[in-house]
Amino acid sequence: DTAVSQTPKYLVTQMGNDKSIKCEQNLGHDTMYWYKQDSKKFLKIMFSYNNKELIINETVPNRFSPKSPDKAHLNLHINSLELGDSAVYFCASSQDLGSNQPQHFGDGTRLSIL
Amino acid sequence: SQQGEEDPQALSIQEGENATMNCSYKTSINNLQWYRQNSGRGLVHLILIRSNEREKHSGRLRVTLDTSKKSSSLLITASRAADTASYFCATHGSGNTGKLIFGQGTTLQVKP
Repeated sequence: DTAVSQTPKYLVTQMGNDKSIKCEQNLGHDTMYWYKQDSKKFLKIMFSYNNKELIINETVPNRFSPKSPDKAHLNLHINSLELGDSAVYFCASSQDLGSNQPQHFGDGTRLSIL
Repeated sequence: SQQGEEDPQALSIQEGENATMNCSYKTSINNLQWYRQNSGRGLVHLILIRSNEREKHSGRLRVTLDTSKKSSSLLITASRAADTASYFCATHGSGNTGKLIFGQGTTLQVKP
């Protein structure tokens, strides 16, 4: 069974559209994250949630709105997509916020804006 | 500037050779983690080394940490074609946020 699964795997859409990416983890973890990886493979955190509560929003434009209906799910909705949003978005989870916790990643959603 | 910068950016070796990747960071840490990313896949945690440890082994992986130089290295011994991937070091940001700060990564190609 996949530990952290995100859908869709690929998303191709036009500028100005609104899209959502879903993420689910079956590890029983308390903490979930969204990361963005650019074309040079630079990986940067966007959000972290702990027990459905937002912990950090790393200066992400408010066009990006995460939602955590329960601690096993963290979805990402993006409004008014821009060319610069093209990237791979990774969902991840960890047992808790502790710094000694490894993070478990999904396989990413490749977002292409036309 | 970002924490966790790595070199080399790319490394190409023959199967059976050893591969060494280096990572530098800027602030004090509790621990440092290494991750692997296969093409088209998510990151996979490899190993965590605590700030009071100098060396750690896991199978063919050996990680060292030098907190005085704020650097770490990952050595893969007897490499295999299946080790072809990108490797990232990561440290935690300040505060209890879970935030990981990743280096740019080293892309390793192991030729059969």
